Amino acid sequence: SAVISQKPSRDICQRGTSLTIQCQVDSQVTMMFWYRQQPGQSLTLIATANQGSEATYESGFVIDKFPISRPNLTFSTLTVSNMSPEDSSIYLCSVEGTEISYNEQFFGPGTRLTVL
Amino acid sequence: GQNIDQPTEMTATEGAIVQINCTYQTSGFNGLFWYQQHAGEAPTFLSYNVLDGLEEKGRFSSFLSRSKGYSYLLLKELQMKDSASYLCAVRDSNYQLIWGAGTKLIIKP
Repeated sequence: SAVISQKPSRDICQRGTSLTIQCQVDSQVTMMFWYRQQPGQSLTLIATANQGSEATYESGFVIDKFPISRPNLTFSTLTVSNMSPEDSSIYLCSVEGTEISYNEQFFGPGTRLTVL
Repeated sequence: GQNIDQPTEMTATEGAIVQINCTYQTSGFNGLFWYQQHAGEAPTFLSYNVLDGLEEKGRFSSFLSRSKGYSYLLLKELQMKDSASYLCAVRDSNYQLIWGAGTKLIIKP
């Protein structure tokens, strides 16, 4: 499977600030996604990161709050803007369409965000 | 709407067998996935079913019936390390993954 890294692995932030999370893959992938997972909950898709164009957001998520970049086929960033305590969650990057497999999604280790 | 149902929590004994069920109602079907997620870690891929029947992979097997909108994950010879959440996900007609809420499996000695 693809090796996926995320930075930072965790952070504690103040209300009103912004945090940018990076996702790096060791090989080119077709699709990259950003998820949020509250403790004890399942995965909620935030958006699909599109290479060279605007991300595709799911219902309830907007670009002003969660700007996403994907400058190439191996890298993406998610920014959580103007944070509030409700944004405290684990944020996961995932990829599809690797050299080994086309179907399944592989996940990065996640970024644990706490907003005070 | 699209819906995936799994039991919230199950308990089993080390060395035993457990079956985790998943039923789904989605707009179209392009495959069903099972993932394992240990507490504090990212989900890891376990299995993929797109045709009816049983797929076996070591101690883990996954079954699919498309006509019934039903799948199960079978874990044999349970080990303590199998304590985790198991997530069922279905790819719909738009090739989007729809995720279940996950089943927390507790293994007791």
